[in-house]
Amino acid sequence: DAGVTQSPTHLIKTRGQHVTLRCSPISGHKSVSWYQQVLGQGPQFIFQYYEKEERGRGNFPDRFSARQFPNYSSELNVNALLLGDSALYLCASSSWTTSGREQYFGPGTRLTVT
Amino acid sequence: DQQVKQNSPSLSVQEGRISILNCDYTNSMFDYFLWYKKYPAEGPTFLISISSIKDKNEDGRFTVFLNKSAKHLSLHIVPSQPGDSAVYFCAASRTGLGSSNTGKLIFGQGTTLQVKP
Repeated sequence: DAGVTQSPTHLIKTRGQHVTLRCSPISGHKSVSWYQQVLGQGPQFIFQYYEKEERGRGNFPDRFSARQFPNYSSELNVNALLLGDSALYLCASSSWTTSGREQYFGPGTRLTVT
Repeated sequence: DQQVKQNSPSLSVQEGRISILNCDYTNSMFDYFLWYKKYPAEGPTFLISISSIKDKNEDGRFTVFLNKSAKHLSLHIVPSQPGDSAVYFCAASRTGLGSSNTGKLIFGQGTTLQVKP
């Protein structure tokens, strides 16, 4: 069975640009969450979506937005990139709703902002 | 405000011995706890979890212990193997539905485990 897939694997952008990251959940999972992991820290929650609705948002600026599609795949968008946005962006899917149980992570997208 | 803390950045253990990774939390509303393992260039892999109604959960070589009064959990790996060398993250969450229960996982900073042959 395919796990969570993310694209692209790596990305280099310039300050001020916009980026779109994509995620496909495990088949049958309806919940997708996004996390940001900077070097030396644990993943930080950005968003959770379930059935195409935003169910939770972490402490991130409005430059960050996301959406979920009818096939449960998801996009994370970041506008006006800053150097501090350089990080590993992780997508996780879950068969639970917003219950905070097991989430299964993709390999991540490594974003470098120069 | 670091709600989940892993105070040991690294741990080195001999192959075959026990590895004990520790995690502390501050929010008494957390009722579900998880451990993930992460290799470089990969996403975190789910290892084991425990609900706050239990104090122990076992899965093969991995056992998680929860001490609610101390707000402390630990992961025991017995016996440790070189392939266990990775970064280990503990995470906590509030389960259930409701406007304040977003299902988000709150992670610690991670502990790098090295198992020497």
